Amino acid sequence: QLQLQESGPGLVKPSETLSLTCTVSGGSISSSSYYWGWIRQPPGKGLEWIGSIYYSGSTYYNPSLKSRVTISVDTSKNQFSLKLSSVTAADTAVYYCARRGVDTAIPDWGQGTLVTVSS
Amino acid sequence: DIQMTQSPSTLSASVGDRVTITCRASQSISSWLAWYQQKPGKAPKLLIYKASSLESGVPSRFSGSGSGTEFTLTISSLQPDDFATYYCQQYNSYFLTFGPGTKVDIK
Repeated sequence: QLQLQESGPGLVKPSETLSLTCTVSGGSISSSSYYWGWIRQPPGKGLEWIGSIYYSGSTYYNPSLKSRVTISVDTSKNQFSLKLSSVTAADTAVYYCARRGVDTAIPDWGQGTLVTVSS
Repeated sequence: DIQMTQSPSTLSASVGDRVTITCRASQSISSWLAWYQQKPGKAPKLLIYKASSLESGVPSRFSGSGSGTEFTLTISSLQPDDFATYYCQQYNSYFLTFGPGTKVDIK
């Protein structure tokens, strides 16, 4: 049974970098069958895809966030990570990590972690 | 970018009602469309993929249809557990986009 667990600071100061890690258990992050990604949801609002990474290291980012986002994989720890730079209050959201298959939707989600941007 | 719209934004219904939600894409996405259900404080749950395929374990009262740019999610007989927000999402390209959501609440 695949499990995804987000971890990282719940509070980040404006202009700093938000960093989150997703730990994968019950499956290998090195599988060629999946993309690993991040999705966020501001309080009371809808879902926004941030970006995805393939096991090979290929990355795909939301064009609206591309200049500030980096997603990376650490196969030795079976983890993948999100860095979002120069954050503002608008980046306050629940951040979900997720897995999707190639040419499929997103069946597997982490529980989500709330990150608040505030001084 | 492919933009997704949903209608209505809010839907008030009663237990036992047949409910239909519409999702439209700004360009053709073939059948690369999914539907999710989200309850407060929870991660979204995949209901339908490839426009009309029912995810394992999802009740058969949920169904999806459509292709190209127009899609629908139908709940044949609304149950108490179905009051939630529903999102469509396209995966026609590497760049995923979600619809703004439809909240189904109690009439």
